[in-house]
Amino acid sequence: DVKVTQSSRYLVKRTGEKVFLECVQDMDHENMFWYRQDPGLGLRLIYFSYDVKMKEKGDIPEGYSVSREKKERFSLILESASTNQTSMYLCASHQGGGFAEAFFGQGTRLTVV
Amino acid sequence: QKEVEQDPGPLSVPEGAIVSLNCTYSNSAFQYFMWYRQYSRKGPELLMYTYSSGNKEDGRFTAQVDKSSKYISLFIRDSQPSDSATYLCAMRGGTGGFKTIFGAGTRLFVKA
Repeated sequence: DVKVTQSSRYLVKRTGEKVFLECVQDMDHENMFWYRQDPGLGLRLIYFSYDVKMKEKGDIPEGYSVSREKKERFSLILESASTNQTSMYLCASHQGGGFAEAFFGQGTRLTVV
Repeated sequence: QKEVEQDPGPLSVPEGAIVSLNCTYSNSAFQYFMWYRQYSRKGPELLMYTYSSGNKEDGRFTAQVDKSSKYISLFIRDSQPSDSATYLCAMRGGTGGFKTIFGAGTRLFVKA
């Protein structure tokens, strides 16, 4: 019954490394999102995509980029990882506009050392 | 000022208590109001949603929206230890389009 799958549960990377976080959904959703979750700050939107090859900046895009080459896959890229990017990263998808339930992946806990 | 304010808690209650979780918001254009529940080491899952103002009940859970006060609530009756989780309010609509704005989440502990 898995709907949104993130490639890793836990990652440890070194400062300056390029990091790829992958997300795949099997519900044919148009919209996909990347959030980071930090204590006391809730979920903050990094980037989202409403179609293949389309992307929009969220509230905290600095230091990140994304790629959506196929409808089911949305990748988050940390160009040069820094310690302040240590966080829980959550991918989500939903269909259409208006109200639509967002389905989340299980999260990737990234530690940058 | 954040668009959505939510007390992060933690909130600790005894089993059987009525729990009240709340969020305030500043954007009057929000139309869809949601509550997500997140268990430890899991992604959030939709618990309830309401459109515009009013109440919605689902079993032990009641969601309320007061657009005039820009205030939403989630009530949990007869709380159970299995309700222990983080509860995030979320809102969408208006000029934000597809963007969903989340509260910080309130961590709830229900003691047996």
